[in-house]
Amino acid sequence: GEQVEQLPSILRVQEGSSASINCTYENSASNYFPWYKQEPGENPKLIIDIRSNMERKQTQGLIVLLDKKAKRFSLHITDTQPGDSAMYFCAASVDSNYQLIWGSGTKLIIKP
Amino acid sequence: AQTIHQWPVAEIKAVGSPLSLGCTIKGKSSPNLYWYWQATGGTLQQLFYSITVGQVESVVQLNLSASRPKDDQFILSTEKLLLSHSGFYLCAWSRDWGDEQYFGPGTRLTVL
Repeated sequence: GEQVEQLPSILRVQEGSSASINCTYENSASNYFPWYKQEPGENPKLIIDIRSNMERKQTQGLIVLLDKKAKRFSLHITDTQPGDSAMYFCAASVDSNYQLIWGSGTKLIIKP
Repeated sequence: AQTIHQWPVAEIKAVGSPLSLGCTIKGKSSPNLYWYWQATGGTLQQLFYSITVGQVESVVQLNLSASRPKDDQFILSTEKLLLSHSGFYLCAWSRDWGDEQYFGPGTRLTVL
């Protein structure tokens, strides 16, 4: 089946620095790319998303980039804080089949 | 405001026993509904989706079934549990396809 590859699986960064997570997808018809944050024992929560008619989106210390040619999208967290430590999941969807394909997740660890 | 409730919070069941998990959404009529499965520390796998009452589509075959008996209710069930069914089951809703998905608190299932 279709896959979304997400790297790295674990990311350790110093507090105050930036963190980047990359995802690639297979289906060129994918047109919606959300990013979810999941804290231990909690449910996933949307932090930012981008649609295929955009290349860049920014909100509250988060930047997401989309390269449709390369079928790649990425999340960049600037000025990381301890509260940013969590699992992050990317996903890609295609309108026609109501299915959201999820990446394998990145465990982000912010070192003080 | 919309709320999503899942029950039970946790279940411990024997292999071969039946299972029924429930999800209710209040405050939103005709939501899109989704069931997800998440292995411990793993990614999310979409199991089912429903865009209207009485209609449920399967995304993967995991010896599970789902039903939507009411507009605000989504049920996940099986007659015979397998060890591989252990995990975290999440219900989610969205206003429309391609919109943010809001997740419930989840049900932790342990099959022994």
